Amino acid sequence: QQPVQSPQAVILREGEDAVINCSSSKALYSVHWYRQKHGEAPVFLMILLKGGEQKGHEKISASFNEKKQQSSLYLTASQLSYSGTYFCGTYLMGGNEKLTFGTGTRLTIIP
Amino acid sequence: GAVVSQHPSRVICKSGTSVKIECRSLDFQATTMFWYRQFPKQSLMLMATSNEGSKATYEQGVEKDKFLINHASLTLSTLTVTSAHPEDSSFYICSARQSRGPYAGYTFGSGTRLTVV
Repeated sequence: QQPVQSPQAVILREGEDAVINCSSSKALYSVHWYRQKHGEAPVFLMILLKGGEQKGHEKISASFNEKKQQSSLYLTASQLSYSGTYFCGTYLMGGNEKLTFGTGTRLTIIP
Repeated sequence: GAVVSQHPSRVICKSGTSVKIECRSLDFQATTMFWYRQFPKQSLMLMATSNEGSKATYEQGVEKDKFLINHASLTLSTLTVTSAHPEDSSFYICSARQSRGPYAGYTFGSGTRLTVV
């Protein structure tokens, strides 16, 4: 039931781009994206609602394909501050308000 | 914006004792709060949904007698780890929402690092 993210880990040089994928086996109402630094709580990035929605937040954007039950997070011109573990969170239809986190993607940005 | 306060941030306890963790919504009322547990290098796993004025809803495999949840007011939920053992050592995080439905965000507390020795 836990959404599967890919890749599990990625190392980038500063300025490079990355794509993180999130795939669910269940129908989704929405997808949430979070970034977590080591030893800290997750920080909200964005919510994607439906219908192939795309959103952007500075140089971080995302898309949601509800038919495929998939979402992708795009990081462009990565900065050192982007390092951390990225989690998608899925809100299921009939899921009783629960947010289920994906398996996580560890992103390391090197100078 | 919405703020969720969680404390303590770190706690070390002896095996067999109980530990209480508090989660407060500071500037909004939360009828529902959520408790997660995170082991090193793993994802956050939902333990239970805390409902104000009623019993918590536990996820499959979570022992409700071991992880006691109380949500006595619209701004406070507590998680008590009873008879703690070293395998309970983990990072516990609470979250709350200002509104319901699939389009409302979740705000997280800063987490509690529990070490049982």
